[in-house]
Amino acid sequence: DAGITQSPRHKVTETGTPVTLRCHQTENHRYMYWYRQDPGHGLRLIHYSYGVKDTDKGEVSDGYSVSRSKTEDFLLTLESATSSQTSVYFCAISDRGENTEAFFGQGTRLTVV
Amino acid sequence: AQSVAQPEDQVNVAEGNPLTVKCTYSVSGNPYLFWYVQYPNRGLQFLLKYITGDNLVKGSYGFEAEFNKSQTSFHLKKPSALVSDSALYFCAVRGALGSQGNLIFGKGTKLSVKP
Repeated sequence: DAGITQSPRHKVTETGTPVTLRCHQTENHRYMYWYRQDPGHGLRLIHYSYGVKDTDKGEVSDGYSVSRSKTEDFLLTLESATSSQTSVYFCAISDRGENTEAFFGQGTRLTVV
Repeated sequence: AQSVAQPEDQVNVAEGNPLTVKCTYSVSGNPYLFWYVQYPNRGLQFLLKYITGDNLVKGSYGFEAEFNKSQTSFHLKKPSALVSDSALYFCAVRGALGSQGNLIFGKGTKLSVKP
């Protein structure tokens, strides 16, 4: 896997608590993405970043926030976790826009109880 | 709006037979199309992409995909399936300009190859 580390890999948390997931890359790629994967929905974009401190919302951004203070790190925060946010979360990176592929991390399995 | 459809939730193939996993797309402008594979408990791995040029694109692990502009399709193919090809396959299209090239995914097709 292309220089992408997600942490933690597994997490169980209680409803209402804040949770932060971390994505760290060693490729110096400009673009970083957070997706969630749910059965029957494929992958859906939560937030993305196109540079340090430059972020924008994706398709399913409600209840999530992100930050990117360094090129290599992209943090996803669930401000107050709900059971509907139980999912597998993937970070992805890409070097440029349209015609380049993205590379994915191993995923974080989050369970909200 | 850009979208991708994978009409089959599951495809079953016997080992040694050819396989096809279907994908259709809707996009304004030139399509940038991708196939990814996901093995259990793993992230997505890039297989191949179509940007421009030859309609038949070759990728990793013996896979290829055929771009058909008139049918807005980008089907994934392999001449001879292996049991180890069993996995979840995703088709994706790049989003429109201004969306920073975000990948939009289909819902995935589970490929099962039986011995």
